[in-house]
Amino acid sequence: KNQVEQSPQSLIILEGKNCTLQCNYTVSPFSNLRWYKQDTGRGPVSLTIMTFSENTKSNGRYTATLDADTKQSSLHITASQLSDSASYICVVSSYSGNTPLVFGKGTRLSVIA
Amino acid sequence: DAGVTQSPTHLIKTRGQQVTLRCSPKSGHDTVSWYQQALGQGPQFIFQYYEEEERQRGNFPDRFSGHQFPNYSSELNVNALLLGDSALYLCASSLEWSGAEPLHFGNGTRLTVT
Repeated sequence: KNQVEQSPQSLIILEGKNCTLQCNYTVSPFSNLRWYKQDTGRGPVSLTIMTFSENTKSNGRYTATLDADTKQSSLHITASQLSDSASYICVVSSYSGNTPLVFGKGTRLSVIA
Repeated sequence: DAGVTQSPTHLIKTRGQQVTLRCSPKSGHDTVSWYQQALGQGPQFIFQYYEEEERQRGNFPDRFSGHQFPNYSSELNVNALLLGDSALYLCASSLEWSGAEPLHFGNGTRLTVT
């Protein structure tokens, strides 16, 4: 069964600190992996998209990594800001099956002053 | 350039009623997908429309139906509402589904079924 598991479920960090969110997936065959940021009451916003051949992709203070062999990805946030408080959702795309995208449940990040 | 817009933003319905949610895709996009997001969960894929046809469908009952119009806007209809249908319904648009295009989401419609 195609699944995306994220950890931790929630995280609290101090402003200015770094953090890393994890994503493990069993989706096969693999097409690409995406990270989205979802503010409370808003729709998700795309941060990065990585294909099989990409190991790292950055978007400002956000850096995503992908290990297609172990089927793991991480999202590293550098020098966190209060505005980084949101849910971060890992999404994996497969070329087969009825569902084009498989969503994780997200990690709820709270950045406090 | 307007992004994805959804209406209404909030809706309260009673069990057994029917509801219609609306979505206008980002300018230039031709593919629309609908998702259901329960509180504290990730979005669940309902279905996707391209060229006015349902191209893919997730594991949702036939009570969930949709439509795409010639201007690419879309509607999601839910019949015989259940309490469990209470959720945030998200619409996402993209340019010709290829699997690698970023999805642009609207801010959703919060549906409460009482």
